[in-house]
Amino acid sequence: ETGVTQTPRHLVMGMTNKKSLKCEQHLGHNAMYWYKQSAKKPLELMFVYSLEERVENNSVPSRFSPECPNSSHLFLHLHTLQPEDSALYLCASSQVGQGAQTQYFGPGTRLLVL
Amino acid sequence: KQEVTQIPAALSVPEGENLVLNCSFTDSAIYNLQWFRQDPGKGLTSLLLIQSSQREQTSGRLNASLDKSSGRSTLYIAASQPGDSATYLCAVTGSNYQLIWGAGTKLIIKP
Repeated sequence: ETGVTQTPRHLVMGMTNKKSLKCEQHLGHNAMYWYKQSAKKPLELMFVYSLEERVENNSVPSRFSPECPNSSHLFLHLHTLQPEDSALYLCASSQVGQGAQTQYFGPGTRLLVL
Repeated sequence: KQEVTQIPAALSVPEGENLVLNCSFTDSAIYNLQWFRQDPGKGLTSLLLIQSSQREQTSGRLNASLDKSSGRSTLYIAASQPGDSATYLCAVTGSNYQLIWGAGTKLIIKP
């Protein structure tokens, strides 16, 4: 596997379910990101992990819980979501510490909350 | 607070035409500006990155310009092809090294 992978690619869940999204990067990067992409809206940065420490949490509701066990893996744990949480969730990675570098994105998880 | 705007939201042109996509930002204090491409149901692919000290970058049929003083960037696509159909996103990197995104321009190239 190369680049950034995400599983599952599609997820349908009820409001009372608990699920997790997984992201893995094979690029040797030291930062990982979760974004939410809703239709016709700019990407919203949710969480940033740099060197496995969370450095940003943009007022994301507590029903979203990130986990970064190591520099290659990132999870987003979901519980008691709302229908408005339906969106494409994108994971990205980059190499920080050498100025502003581009981010590499996974294919995303399309989430539908019923 | 930095805001990024992309105009138009959607664009449809015949194959072979040259076209320009626009991006504007409100705060000129940026590290760089990037253009990304997103195909339906897929992630984003970086096309061009322009550092704040640069004026333009070129890759094949793509040319991106940056005018920090006016807060504008353009993405020029020459001799468009149906395979260029996608959503094009502009993003600027701010002082915290995080990206601020535009909503994108959906481009359709008609054969």
